[in-house]
Order: sequence, then structure tokens, then C-alpha cells
Amino acid sequence: EAQVTQNPRYLITVTGKKLTVTCSQNMNHEYMSWYRQDPGLGLRQIYYSMNVEVTDKGDVPEGYKVSRKEKRNFPLILESPSPNQTSLYFCASSPTSGNSLEQYFGPGTRLTVT
Amino acid sequence: GNSVTQMEGPVTLSEEAFLTINCTYTATGYPSLFWYVQYPGEGLQLLLKATKADDKGSNKGFEATYRKETTSFHLEKGSVQVSDSAVYFCALTKGTSGTYKYIFGTGTRLKVLA
Repeated sequence: EAQVTQNPRYLITVTGKKLTVTCSQNMNHEYMSWYRQDPGLGLRQIYYSMNVEVTDKGDVPEGYKVSRKEKRNFPLILESPSPNQTSLYFCASSPTSGNSLEQYFGPGTRLTVT
Repeated sequence: GNSVTQMEGPVTLSEEAFLTINCTYTATGYPSLFWYVQYPGEGLQLLLKATKADDKGSNKGFEATYRKETTSFHLEKGSVQVSDSAVYFCALTKGTSGTYKYIFGTGTRLKVLA
């Protein structure tokens, strides 16, 4: 089944404790992206990647890191989480053929930082 | 910079009513435009898209037309069902120098009553 998977689905952590949220897709998509969803703010793009070893900042990259060493994986790293990073996070992937970039989303990761 | 503005919700309708959710955008050139839908507890799914002016995207009875002159991409459905209750997001992506940031609106919650 074609899908985007994220792990963990739920995470409660404490301020300053490094964490990684994994994202994997099995559709051989070039484009991958991370978003955070907050009430009243919609989805805001954190980072995106056009292909392996190519990443770029979205609108809210502060406090986050990403890497794209393999085409299928795009982990999101919070080196020192803070309470304002409490949010619902989505990973997405997209083929780049046709230039339309229609995205396929993972199920989300709900992160709470205390 | 690029931006998307969509009407605030919630929008509450009776079953079989006509639906319009307004979306306007700001972008240079010709972005690709999308509507995504998010059902409770799930990730986003692509509902429809349009990649050039005057294109009409359609899916599951929903339609939206890319209007360059009014910079709009309003979502419409002639007869809503209870199962259409969800949050709807308007979005755009615009390639600049070969990269593609994705911009989402804040989302509009639709509630359809039986």
C-alpha cells in the first residue's frame, strides 16, 4: 500500500531533551516536507526537500533540523525542544513530475513538550 | 511573499445545501492551487487541484476554478452530505528558481447537519 508513515504518533517529552520524529514513504517521491498544525494558524511548512541531500527552509524552521540521506526517509530533529513546539506535526511527500506537487500526508505526530 | 486567505469557520449547513468556501491568494506568476480535506483524527488528503488560469479542478462533487483576474480559487459543492463534515484547506505552491515552498490557508471547518 502506498503510504507515508510517521513515528511516533504521540510523544510527550520535557524541555531540552533531544528527539527525532521519523518519516518514511514508499512511493519513490522526490519531494518531502514537514509541517506543523496549530489552531487558528493552519499548516505551516517547517522544511522541505526536493531530493536526496537537498533541503530548504519553509516558513517556520527555527528550532528544527532535517536531513535527507535516503530518498524514502526525512526525519525531523528537535535538538532542544521547548514548550512552544508543542503541536501536531505532519510529514508529506510528492512526486515532482508534472510540476503540480500534489502531496500525500502521513497520519500526524502529536508532540507535547512540558 | 506568497499567501493564502480563506474564510473563517465554522460553516454550518443542512444536508443538501449549497456550499461555498472562499479562498484568495497572493503570489507572483502562476502558482498551482489546491484544496485539501482533513477528516477528524486524520492527515490531509488532496481534494482537487488546478495548475493554470481558468482550469477547473473537480472531485467527489466538489469544484473550484482558478481565477487569475480575481486571484481566487473558491470551493463549491451543489449538495453537501453529513460525510463532508471536515476541515478544508486551500493551498498554493509556486516554484522559484527550481524550489517549491508550500503555503496553506488557516482552514475552514465545515459541519453538515442531518
